[in-house]
Amino acid sequence: SQQGEEDPQALSIQEGENATMNCSYKTSINNLQWYRQNSGRGLVHLILIRSNEREKHSGRLRVTLDTSKKSSSLLITASRAADTASYFCATDLNRDDKIIFGKGTRLHILP
Amino acid sequence: EAQVTQNPRYLITVTGKKLTVTCSQNMNHEYMSWYRQDPGLGLRQIYYSMNVEVTDKGDVPEGYKVSRKEKRNFPLILESPSPNQTSLYFCASKKDRTSSYEQYFGPGTRLTVT
Repeated sequence: SQQGEEDPQALSIQEGENATMNCSYKTSINNLQWYRQNSGRGLVHLILIRSNEREKHSGRLRVTLDTSKKSSSLLITASRAADTASYFCATDLNRDDKIIFGKGTRLHILP
Repeated sequence: EAQVTQNPRYLITVTGKKLTVTCSQNMNHEYMSWYRQDPGLGLRQIYYSMNVEVTDKGDVPEGYKVSRKEKRNFPLILESPSPNQTSLYFCASKKDRTSSYEQYFGPGTRLTVT
């Protein structure tokens, strides 16, 4: 069963605007990771946030984690055309060593 | 260069013909994993391995086998492929099972079973 569920499924915004994607999960986790995938290619790791962390930043990326609500958000500020991609959250479960991915958010940056 | 490699990148085969997709990493990572990606379903974990000679089932292991005889290699074996195994497959590795490390992904293998 899917652990992570991203929301929205698809998002189109103008270049320069901020993009926010959300991820919800069901069971207790060790960490949560966000990945980017350009069409049909391998996944690239963006940021990892541990279960005892609430917020992390990396360049134009900001990730928050709310373990009480079992949710995370990824904010991309000042979006660029190159940010057009699919974004996935993945949860590293602490009941076993599985890693569960969500179905992804397709982000399209309009020129 | 640190990387995960997969071969072949593209494969078209027929139902029932055994095949192996190889995966190799050069980062001395303990944890390796196989995923399949299907439209609308995201990535689903097939098998994972926490170290040499240790493998465990992911969410969708049926129809697949793996082995981990060496740390760097984690081949995916389809003994009798069927059309429902047509998919995009990714191998990934990370340093170990602890909570602090991200995964590195291979470029993917697009498999078509007719």
